[in-house]
Amino acid sequence: NAGVMQNPRHLVRRRGQEARLRCSPMKGHSHVYWYRQLPEEGLKFMVYLQKENIIDESGMPKERFSAEFPKEGPSILRIQQVVRGDSAAYFCASSPPLAGAPYEQYFGPGTRLTVT
Amino acid sequence: GESVGLHLPTLSVQEGDNSIINCAYSNSASDYFIWYKQESGKGPQFIIDIRSNMDKRQGQRVTVLLNKTVKHLSLQIAATQPGDSAVYFCAERARDSNYQLIWGAGTKLIIKP
Repeated sequence: NAGVMQNPRHLVRRRGQEARLRCSPMKGHSHVYWYRQLPEEGLKFMVYLQKENIIDESGMPKERFSAEFPKEGPSILRIQQVVRGDSAAYFCASSPPLAGAPYEQYFGPGTRLTVT
Repeated sequence: GESVGLHLPTLSVQEGDNSIINCAYSNSASDYFIWYKQESGKGPQFIIDIRSNMDKRQGQRVTVLLNKTVKHLSLQIAATQPGDSAVYFCAERARDSNYQLIWGAGTKLIIKP
């Protein structure tokens, strides 16, 4: 049973370009969470999605960032017009239906975004 | 505001010794805490959790202690092994949420042979 998969693992973008990060949850999981981790810091919650629904985006910057989890395919975190401050590791986690407790989130290996 | 902090950014321990990683939190109303292990290049991995109605909880080679009086949390790893090398994060549940955690900055554990 494959774990949470994220791609790409490393992404380099120039300022002003768009970054698309993908997350495939574990089999049977219908909840996806995105987190950002700056160097030397803990993870910061960004958004919580279920299939075709954004449940909580309270941690998402109001501009340039968006997330989706379509009925088919992976969840996508999109960052438009990237700036240097967007450089970070972005982690996705998934959990099974009806779960909610933090420990039931299983994390992917992350995407390291570097903005030059 | 709510915050979780760690006392030491790096901890070096001799292989076979016990490791103690400390964490302070600021919200006295926090009711749930969790420790994660993050190995280089990987996502965080759940280690152990504890609720505020407990002072101590034990797992396999790990023990978490909670001191609510001084708002302090610690993770003890017995007989530290090379595979324990990682960054360890403590986190507390955010208010009114079942899934949002407030994470500390992390402590890097280095195992000396």
